[in-house]
Amino acid sequence: DAGVTQSPTHLIKTRGQQVTLRCSPKSGHDTVSWYQQALGQGPQFIFQYYEEEERQRGNFPDRFSGHQFPNYSSELNVNALLLGDSALYLCASTPWGGGYEQYFGPGTRLTVT
Amino acid sequence: GENVEQHPSTLSVQEGDSAVIKCTYSDSASNYFPWYKQELGKRPQLIIDIRSNVGEKKDQRIAVTLNKTAKHFSLHITETQPEDSAVYFCAASMRDAGNMLTFGGGTRLMVKP
Repeated sequence: DAGVTQSPTHLIKTRGQQVTLRCSPKSGHDTVSWYQQALGQGPQFIFQYYEEEERQRGNFPDRFSGHQFPNYSSELNVNALLLGDSALYLCASTPWGGGYEQYFGPGTRLTVT
Repeated sequence: GENVEQHPSTLSVQEGDSAVIKCTYSDSASNYFPWYKQELGKRPQLIIDIRSNVGEKKDQRIAVTLNKTAKHFSLHITETQPEDSAVYFCAASMRDAGNMLTFGGGTRLMVKP
């Protein structure tokens, strides 16, 4: 049974560009949350998707958007990249039935130059 | 919104000693408190969690205690081993608010052989 998977592993982009990150939740999980982890800090909540809709959103600008597909996988899109967007982007999934636990994927390391 | 503070930021112990990491939270509505271990370059791994209807939970060498009145919770690791060396994050969430996790700033634990 595969855990949470994310792609790509690493990504380098230039300021002003757009990026799409992908996440596949663990089998039996239907809720996907995205977090941004800057170097040396704890993860910060971006948003959460459930039943293909954004259910909750953290304090991030509209440049950050997402999508959830019928198979529960999810995408995170970031437009007009800034140097400050450089971080590890983590996806976490939660079991069906609204469990408490969140299990993280390995993350995508985004570097903006 | 919720604010989680974590102390200490770094902790160095001798192998076999105990380690204690403490967190405080601000929102009395928070009812779920997980702890994650993150090794360098790897995903945060859920190691133990506690819900607000429980005061203490133990899993082998790891235990978590919760004081709802004081709004603080702690991670206790006994008989530390070098492989316990990592960054540990506490988090809090309100189950009825979609499970958004608010993380502390992290504690770098170093276990010296």
